[in-house]
Amino acid sequence: DAGVTQSPTHLIKTRGQQVTLRCSPKSGHDTVSWYQQALGQGPQFIFQYYEEEERQRGNFPDRFSGHQFPNYSSELNVNALLLGDSALYLCASSLPGTDTQYFGPGTRLTVL
Amino acid sequence: QQPVQSPQAVILREGEDAVINCSSSKALYSVHWYRQKHGEAPVFLMILLKGGEQKGHEKISASFNEKKQQSSLYLTASQLSYSGTYFCGTDPSGNTGKLIFGQGTTLQVKP
Repeated sequence: DAGVTQSPTHLIKTRGQQVTLRCSPKSGHDTVSWYQQALGQGPQFIFQYYEEEERQRGNFPDRFSGHQFPNYSSELNVNALLLGDSALYLCASSLPGTDTQYFGPGTRLTVL
Repeated sequence: QQPVQSPQAVILREGEDAVINCSSSKALYSVHWYRQKHGEAPVFLMILLKGGEQKGHEKISASFNEKKQQSSLYLTASQLSYSGTYFCGTDPSGNTGKLIFGQGTTLQVKP
C-alpha cells in the first residue's frame, strides 16, 4: 500500500515566480491537508481539502491556493513567491471520518 | 494558540527513559504525537482524544490531562532509533483536522 506521495522532491524558484506542488493521498483517504514547515519549526497548517472544497484554512495569504481533484489528489499553488516562502511543504491525508493524518515526504522549496 | 513543548532538547543514553510535555492555553479536543527524523516526513505515533485513555505503542506511551490541557509522551528504555524531533499537534476545535503543532523537542539517543 503506497503512502502519501508528493512531487517534486525539490524545487528552486526566484522571487515573483509561481509554483505548483502535487500530492497523492494514501489509498482510501479522501481528505488532504497542506502544511508549511520552516527550518527548525513545527509544521504550520495552510489549508485542508475535502470533496474538492477548501474546508479549513490557516493564517496564510491568498497567494496560497489549492485544488483537489475527483481522485482526491491535490495541488498547492503559490503565486508571487517571496524569500520567506522557502520551506518544506508537507501534504497529509486522512481516512473519511477519522482524525489521524499521515504525512508525505514533502517538497523542499527554495526561493532565491 | 501554539502548544508549548518541553524540554526543547534532551540527550539520552540507550536504555534511559524520557518524558516530553505538551501544554496548551486552550481546551483541547485531541493531541497528536509525531516523530520526524532529519530530512524525512513526520511519522504518526499516536492520537489521544478527549475522554480517552492513555495510549501505548511498544515502549512509547502517552497521557492526556484534559483539566490541565496538557499531554505527556513517555519513552522507556530508549533505543537509537528513537532519535529525532518529536512534535505534538493539537486540535482545539474538535475533529477539524486543523492541527496546530508545537515547536518540537529534539531527542538524541547515544550508544
